[in-house]
Amino acid sequence: QVQLVESGGGVVQPERSLRLSCAASGFTFSRYQMHWVRQAPGKGLEWVAVISYDGSSKYYADSVKGRVTISSDSSKSTLWLQMNSLRAEDTAVYYCARDRYGEPIDSWGQGILVTVSS
Amino acid sequence: QLVLTQSPSASASLGASVKLTCTLSSGHSSYAIAWHQQQPEKGPRYLMKLNSDGSHTKGDGIPDRFSGSSSGAERYLTISSLQSEDEADYYCQTWATGIRVFGGGTKLTVL
Repeated sequence: QVQLVESGGGVVQPERSLRLSCAASGFTFSRYQMHWVRQAPGKGLEWVAVISYDGSSKYYADSVKGRVTISSDSSKSTLWLQMNSLRAEDTAVYYCARDRYGEPIDSWGQGILVTVSS
Repeated sequence: QLVLTQSPSASASLGASVKLTCTLSSGHSSYAIAWHQQQPEKGPRYLMKLNSDGSHTKGDGIPDRFSGSSSGAERYLTISSLQSEDEADYYCQTWATGIRVFGGGTKLTVL
């Protein structure tokens, strides 16, 4: 079955960097667009970034543009999110998710907590 | 601007039915959406894709108690025969090239 497993979270100081990973299995990674979605404590879901099935297109939410980079390696079925210049407002559970072109998100990871604090 | 609007909360009694609403912003009434459920302390779970004509496709293992319907810019999620495990946050989501949008979520309380 489809599995999306995030890792790499933790506590990080403001202005530092962190890289999240998402290991995918149970489906053909190269046929899907992959996303990062986050959820601040007690808040709703916020889309962060998407990468196309072949990695050629990447889009970001305005709240993170210029500070984060999404990337993937289909040979490893792995998705990453490089986060730089972290701020307190980046504190959230980060979810890895997938969809196909023209379709909604249909699978989610279990999430990984990132806490930005001094 | 593509925006989804949801009421913050809803409640209904055990065994009853409830209808949650998601409203698409002006000019976007033809968009399909998805419904996702998030139980307490868990990650989201995809429930269904809901088209503008009310047709919907549910995710694997989603009970028949969950159904969707549409009217104009409104998209609905109806849950019948409410069970305690249906107490959760429900999010609608839509998409366009380069963007995904979530509604603010509706917290459903089962009385």
